Amino acid sequence: AQSVTQLGSHVSVSEGALVLLRCNYSSSVPPYLFWYVQYPNQGLQLLLKYTSAATLVKGINGFEAEFKKSETSFHLTKPSAHMSDAAEYFCAVSDRSTGTASKLTFGTGTRLQVTL
Amino acid sequence: KAGVTQTPRYLIKTRGQQVTLSCSPISGHRSVSWYQQTPGQGLQFLFEYFSETQRNKGNFPGRFSGRQFSNSRSEMNVSTLELGDSALYLCASSLSGNSNQPQHFGDGTRLSIL
Repeated sequence: AQSVTQLGSHVSVSEGALVLLRCNYSSSVPPYLFWYVQYPNQGLQLLLKYTSAATLVKGINGFEAEFKKSETSFHLTKPSAHMSDAAEYFCAVSDRSTGTASKLTFGTGTRLQVTL
Repeated sequence: KAGVTQTPRYLIKTRGQQVTLSCSPISGHRSVSWYQQTPGQGLQFLFEYFSETQRNKGNFPGRFSGRQFSNSRSEMNVSTLELGDSALYLCASSLSGNSNQPQHFGDGTRLSIL
């Protein structure tokens, strides 16, 4: 069974500082990986996805993530935080081996706080 | 292009009642998935429908059911509501439900059980 671990339930950064949100997966076959963001009282918005093309993936709002198979990681980064980045971020995996099964397994989320 | 639409946005019910939630996927998307989000359990997969057939099911009791219509719209039903069913219920759609396709989420229905 697949699982995903997000280290740090809360991360606080200053505006303009680097954002680093950690995600590690556990799967015998490297899964497809996704990062989503959730703002208060809203659903999930896709930031980026890894589906076995380039290992460095660029997403929306200046975010990017790098797939590292040797570390089973897919950490999310942004060079310079903005106040509008304050939200909850979820890493998710889907099972590559099933092909047509559309089921996401989510991490527990990381709440990003951006301070002045 | 309109996104995923969920109705209603908010619902208040009492224990023992039943509830139906609705989801309209993005036009052209044929796969619809449902998730439950709670502070304690996080985001959990309920089930997925494609071409009116349930293809995948999470670990929830039989009180949770769903269906999909020929126009890909989906409904989920929860019977004999319990306090623990209070949650944000999220619907997501994708083109065909392949595991490498991103799912697009609606804003959810917040269900409160009194």
